[in-house]
Amino acid sequence: GAVVSQHPSWVICKSGTSVKIECRSLDFQATTMFWYRQFPKQSLMLMATSNEGSKATYEQGVEKDKFLINHASLTLSTLTVTSAHPEDSSFYICSASTGGLSNQPQHFGDGTRLSIL
Amino acid sequence: AQSVAQPEDQVNVAEGNPLTVKCTYSVSGNPYLFWYVQYPNRGLQFLLKYITGDNLVKGSYGFEAEFNKSQTSFHLKKPSALVSDSALYFCAVSPQGSSASKIIFGSGTRLSIRP
Repeated sequence: GAVVSQHPSWVICKSGTSVKIECRSLDFQATTMFWYRQFPKQSLMLMATSNEGSKATYEQGVEKDKFLINHASLTLSTLTVTSAHPEDSSFYICSASTGGLSNQPQHFGDGTRLSIL
Repeated sequence: AQSVAQPEDQVNVAEGNPLTVKCTYSVSGNPYLFWYVQYPNRGLQFLLKYITGDNLVKGSYGFEAEFNKSQTSFHLKKPSALVSDSALYFCAVSPQGSSASKIIFGSGTRLSIRP
């Protein structure tokens, strides 16, 4: 149970294009989803928290106009990297939580490796 | 400031030997504690958590962790390591009563099990 599917796994695209990453909870309703960025050999950096039907909450230093997050349903959240540039290349991971409470584990997708040429 | 420390970047263990991956934390109150494992090019997988109760928590794949309040530690252990346990392990802490977004991840420890 508690499976999170993230798509695509790999993306290679030219600088200036926009890339959309999908995160789906397959067998549970995710009231809260999280988007992380992970640099090589480093821990996860929380980018934003999204709650179904409301605006995402971005962490300090994360550009909301650059990283558009939509959580339109209880099973789907999307992250769009707009006008991507090489410095946006990274491993992006989503996770989902059933209630958004701190005593519940997060369930992670397999990540998306984004490479901007 | 609240923090989680994983003092070892890498732990090397021979297959069949016991393993320990260390984690200490600095969080006010009684936090919730988690261990996750990450395989190459994959997301994190939940291993186990401590919320309350027995200090020894058992989780997936034969792993267990011991909560020590006085030492503010939550070390991950396994009695007999397998080569397939080789992966990146993250300790995480959430302040009690907070939202899940307040979870703090450690820097990760790479576990390498040699045959």
